[in-house]
Amino acid sequence: GAVVSQHPSRVICKSGTSVKIECRSLDFQATTMFWYRQFPKQSLMLMATSNEGSKATYEQGVEKDKFLINHASLTLSTLTVTSAHPEDSSFYICSASYRGILSGANVLTFGAGSRLTVL
Amino acid sequence: QKEVEQNSGPLSVPEGAIASLNCTYSDRGSQSFFWYRQYSGKSPELIMSIYSNGDKEDGRFTAQLNKASQYVSLLIRDSQPSDSATYLCAVNTVLEYGNKLVFGAGTILRVKS
Repeated sequence: GAVVSQHPSRVICKSGTSVKIECRSLDFQATTMFWYRQFPKQSLMLMATSNEGSKATYEQGVEKDKFLINHASLTLSTLTVTSAHPEDSSFYICSASYRGILSGANVLTFGAGSRLTVL
Repeated sequence: QKEVEQNSGPLSVPEGAIASLNCTYSDRGSQSFFWYRQYSGKSPELIMSIYSNGDKEDGRFTAQLNKASQYVSLLIRDSQPSDSATYLCAVNTVLEYGNKLVFGAGTILRVKS
């Protein structure tokens, strides 16, 4: 259980175009989803916290007008990189929080990630 | 001071040895701690979670938590070449708008056969 599906896994686009990445929780409802970005040989950096039915909370330094997040349902959150530039090329990973049956604590499970290359 | 600190490594151990990975965190209020493994080009996968002081064992993995010292570690017994990966320590921080998982930079582990 607790599977998060993320698409596309790889995307190549031209500079100036927009790219949408989808993140779905397949077998559970995720009231909160998180979007991370990871540059080569660096750790995961949280970009924003996405709550169903409300505006996303962005981390300091992340442009909310550039990285549009929509969390319209309990199983789907989308990240749109608008007017992408080569410096936006990165590995974008979504994750969703679910409550562990045994522990009762929130556990984070990750999607497979989307590698974006902007030419 | 970084919120979650790890030695970047690489940590090299021979096959069959015990690998010891360490992590310190700054938020004394943190209650949940996780170890994730990440292979190159892949997303992280959860290995262990620990919530109370002491040791927690799961197969070849043992997580250790000491909240007083703000220290969490992961031991891998009988290390295998397939354990070679980056290990990420993550600490849950409670914020006004909810929980936030903060990751360390990761420790690269190399198990040599």
